[in-house]
Amino acid sequence: AQSVSQHNHHVILSEAASLELGCNYSYGGTVNLFWYVQYPGQHLQLLLKYFSGDPLVKGIKGFEAEFIKSKFSFNLRKPSVQWSDTAEYFCAVNQAGTALIFGKGTTLSVSS
Amino acid sequence: KAGVTQTPRYLIKTRGQQVTLSCSPISGHRSVSWYQQTPGQGLQFLFEYFSETQRNKGNFPGRFSGRQFSNSRSEMNVSTLELGDSALYLCASSPGLAGSHLYEQYFGPGTRLTVT
Repeated sequence: AQSVSQHNHHVILSEAASLELGCNYSYGGTVNLFWYVQYPGQHLQLLLKYFSGDPLVKGIKGFEAEFIKSKFSFNLRKPSVQWSDTAEYFCAVNQAGTALIFGKGTTLSVSS
Repeated sequence: KAGVTQTPRYLIKTRGQQVTLSCSPISGHRSVSWYQQTPGQGLQFLFEYFSETQRNKGNFPGRFSGRQFSNSRSEMNVSTLELGDSALYLCASSPGLAGSHLYEQYFGPGTRLTVT
């Protein structure tokens, strides 16, 4: 079955530290990849998405992600996190005609 | 544009009862998807409706059902509630057009269902 794995369940960082959250998927063929974020008390919102082209995609608030097809990965990165980045982050994958499937999420806690 | 709205926001039900949740998508969006969010399982896809037809379905028992109306508003129903159905139920809308998998989904605030 198609699945999405997020390796880190809970990540704790200090402000200004660099962030990398892992995401792997088990789909074959062409995939579309997304990272969503859920800030405390807020709706899920899109951080960035990849459909094709440059495998390094930039999103909002300084986030970026790199699609590595050979590794079936789409890791999220940010060079320097802020306290306001404290949130839950979800990786999601779909293909044409299929539903969007989410990983179980990674909780990021940033201390000031 | 108004965002995705869900009603009610909070609900407490007793085991064995049934419940109906409502979702109004963003104006012009024709696809509505439903997800169950729990701390242990994250977001699990329930089903997607497009133009009043179920287009995709997740791996949930038949107690979970949904429908979509001609104005794209959607409802989901859970019959014979179990304690494990306690969760945040999220609705998301997207344009739903050809190539719709390329569009982001816009999420509502969710309905928090507690089953006692």
